[in-house]
Order: sequence, then C-alpha cells, then structure tokens
Amino acid sequence: SAVISQKPSRDICQRGTSLTIQCQVDSQVTMMFWYRQQPGQSLTLIATANQGSEATYESGFVIDKFPISRPNLTFSTLTVSNMSPEDSSIYLCSVSGGHSSYNEQFFGPGTRLTVL
Amino acid sequence: AQTVTQSQPEMSVQEAETVTLSCTYDTSESDYYLFWYKQPPSRQMILVIRQEAYKQQNATENRFSVNFQKAAKSFSLKISDSQLGDAAMYFCAYRSAADRDDKIIFGKGTRLHILP
Repeated sequence: SAVISQKPSRDICQRGTSLTIQCQVDSQVTMMFWYRQQPGQSLTLIATANQGSEATYESGFVIDKFPISRPNLTFSTLTVSNMSPEDSSIYLCSVSGGHSSYNEQFFGPGTRLTVL
Repeated sequence: AQTVTQSQPEMSVQEAETVTLSCTYDTSESDYYLFWYKQPPSRQMILVIRQEAYKQQNATENRFSVNFQKAAKSFSLKISDSQLGDAAMYFCAYRSAADRDDKIIFGKGTRLHILP
C-alpha cells in the first residue's frame, strides 16, 4: 500500500484567511482525492484530482473556495480559501490507482483545521 | 445512484468476544468492490478488508471476516476475539468496477466500543 503524508497535521486559523494542505505519496498514483470529515461523521468527497487536468468537484464544492493543484503523480495540494468557522473540520487526502487491481483508496493521516 | 447503509451507529462488545457490524448497499450493477475501513481515534483511515462482488468466497484477514450476501446486498464484518485496539469507527464502502475515477461511496459508520 502507498505511504501518504499530509502537512500540516493540524492548524488553527483566523476567519478570512486561507490554508494550503499538502499531500505527498511515496509512489506514483493515478487518482488523488480530497475529503472533508466532521467529527464523528462520515467522509464527504470534495474533489478528485487527476494529474495534468483540472480537478473534478462534487456538488456543493467549488474551485474558488477549494482550489486544488496536482502538479505530478505523487503530490497534491488543497487550499481552503476565505475560511469561516464552518470550515472547521478534518481534511483527508487519499490515493488510488497503484498496483492493486481493486483500486482501493489509501488515506493520509488527515489535517485537523480549526477556524476561529 | 448507489448507497451504503450502516444501521448501527454504535456497538459495544466485551473484550475477546465476537461482534458483527452490519452493512447493506443498493446498486443495479453486477461488478463492484466492497470494503471495510477502520478509523481509530488517531483518525488514520485503515483498510481492513475488501471483497470483489464476483467472488462467492467470503474474504478473511486474520480476526476479520465478512459475510457477503450478493443477492441480499449485504456485507457484514465479523471481528473475532475482539481486542482493545479494535475500538474505532468502522466504515463500509462501495466502489463500482465501472467507475474510472475510482470513487468510493462510504456509509455513515459504526462506532465500536470494546469493553475490558
């Protein structure tokens, strides 16, 4: 399975500012995903990031609020822009498209964001 | 659209006992994959077990096994000889074999408590 790291692991931010979260994988992968997870809740997919193309956003999420970069096959960033307290959540990066035929997703450790 | 339902928000089991977590799903497809993920308090999502829909044999991974009933669209997880480290949120998940984006649909999760 892939080893995935995320930076930062947690942050406390002021309303109106932006935070960029980094996701690094130890091997080349096809697809990278960004999720949001409220405490005690399930995961909500924000967008799918394919290398070399624009990210595909799920309903309710827009590029202006959550711009995503995918410059190569091992790295992606998610920016949470113009933050409000409602953006306080855990943000998870995941990957698929490695060597497994199941194409299951493997997850990073997450970033806990608190917006004051 | 496919859906995944976990009807047990919380469950408790005595250490060393066996517990079964329920999951049902709805799909019109015949080829798909099913997964159970574990998320302990550290929030790291860990893949526990996976099942291909065309395989009749139930998947097993050490103390974890599934009961896959394709006609009933049921995919339960059995944990034998429960250990304190099994305490976590468990998510059932579905992936269509036809989805080139490898998206996964998650259930709402079951929080499992292990009683010493």
